Amino acid sequence: DTAVSQTPKYLVTQMGNDKSIKCEQNLGHDTMYWYKQDSKKFLKIMFSYNNKELIINETVPNRFSPKSPDKAHLNLHINSLELGDSAVYFCASSQNRGQETQYFGPGTRLLVL
Amino acid sequence: GNSVTQMEGPVTLSEEAFLTINCTYTATGYPSLFWYVQYPGEGLQLLLKATKADDKGSNKGFEATYRKETTSFHLEKGSVQVSDSAVYFCALSRTGANNLFFGTGTRLTVIP
Repeated sequence: DTAVSQTPKYLVTQMGNDKSIKCEQNLGHDTMYWYKQDSKKFLKIMFSYNNKELIINETVPNRFSPKSPDKAHLNLHINSLELGDSAVYFCASSQNRGQETQYFGPGTRLLVL
Repeated sequence: GNSVTQMEGPVTLSEEAFLTINCTYTATGYPSLFWYVQYPGEGLQLLLKATKADDKGSNKGFEATYRKETTSFHLEKGSVQVSDSAVYFCALSRTGANNLFFGTGTRLTVIP
């Protein structure tokens, strides 16, 4: 009965590979997000979807492509992984857009070698 | 623009000490303000929030008051415990926006 779940929890891969991270929320929320947390713990929004529609696309390389098959899922696909992509990626969801509380998943720790 | 400036860490305190973590913000409109906590190896959890000026958010002994005049939302706890050791993030969400703007996080370590 986890509210926001992500898989995998850990991902170690070689430079140049393509990988995906999956996120699912069972809260019935309309809006989902991807955040990146760097090694200094700084958190930055990457993408936001509302009812499967892309709302926010920050300055993220186009090697990163989010996909929302339905409003309970928001997956993140990364092509041609680079060393600098190593980080912890957090998925989150909220009831609506705007000033709502966001609920975070446990994070996916990505290490690119 | 919108930004959050948070007290640099790390902060190390003895158990039962008083905690203050400073947070100031810059925002257009009337943002909502949040404190999130990240325990080791876990995701972020909402600790408390305030949605308008002079509101006080509180949870688990932590408090923060939304001060519009000083654009601040400082986190306080009267007596910290070892279990409070975590990274604390101040964040804002502005009117009509769709994401949170986070501060840089403050790592708190409480020693017995």
